[in-house]
Amino acid sequence: GENVEQHPSTLSVQEGDSAVIKCTYSDSASNYFPWYKQELGKRPQLIIDIRSNVGEKKDQRIAVTLNKTAKHFSLHITETQPEDSAVYFCAASMRGSYIPTFGRGTSLIVHP
Amino acid sequence: NAGVTQTPKFQVLKTGQSMTLQCAQDMNHEYMSWYRQDPGMGLRLIHYSVGAGITDQGEVPNGYNVSRSTTEDFPLRLLSAAPSQTSVYFCASSQSGGGTDTQYFGPGTRLTVL
Repeated sequence: GENVEQHPSTLSVQEGDSAVIKCTYSDSASNYFPWYKQELGKRPQLIIDIRSNVGEKKDQRIAVTLNKTAKHFSLHITETQPEDSAVYFCAASMRGSYIPTFGRGTSLIVHP
Repeated sequence: NAGVTQTPKFQVLKTGQSMTLQCAQDMNHEYMSWYRQDPGMGLRLIHYSVGAGITDQGEVPNGYNVSRSTTEDFPLRLLSAAPSQTSVYFCASSQSGGGTDTQYFGPGTRLTVL
């Protein structure tokens, strides 16, 4: 089955800096790569996703890049703010799969 | 729409007790799943369902049972609670795309087993 590795497990940045979280996947058939944000005590919620027919997708301060050849994808957050502090999960899945495979999460801490 | 709802929000059990965690969704989603979240372990899949009457095991199914008699409801049963089942439990649902559709999570149930 699919295996998703996520790094780092913890990331600490100063407000205004950029943050990058990286994930690798094992199954070349995977074609959907979502990112979920989980604020403290809350549920995970989708913040951005990318499908394998594109290499990059942006939404304001958040962007995701995909390298299919290397089988890795990354979440980029620019101009970080304290409210970006949360746990971020990457995931991978393919057409026909019932459930995505999640990474173990990255705890992002943005210091004011 | 209420989305995905879970009850209770908090629960304390003694070892050996049984209980059912409730999950319901009002979005007519085909796929539903249960995860447990432990520090440093991410979201681990317990059981999932691809429709009413169809369930299957995930990564960590031992000690848990599920059934899906309706599209809306997907309860998780702990048969004989153990301290190792202390965790936060999330239910999720998605549309017909399954893994390639957005997962909508419930608010979670924090379970402590003494």
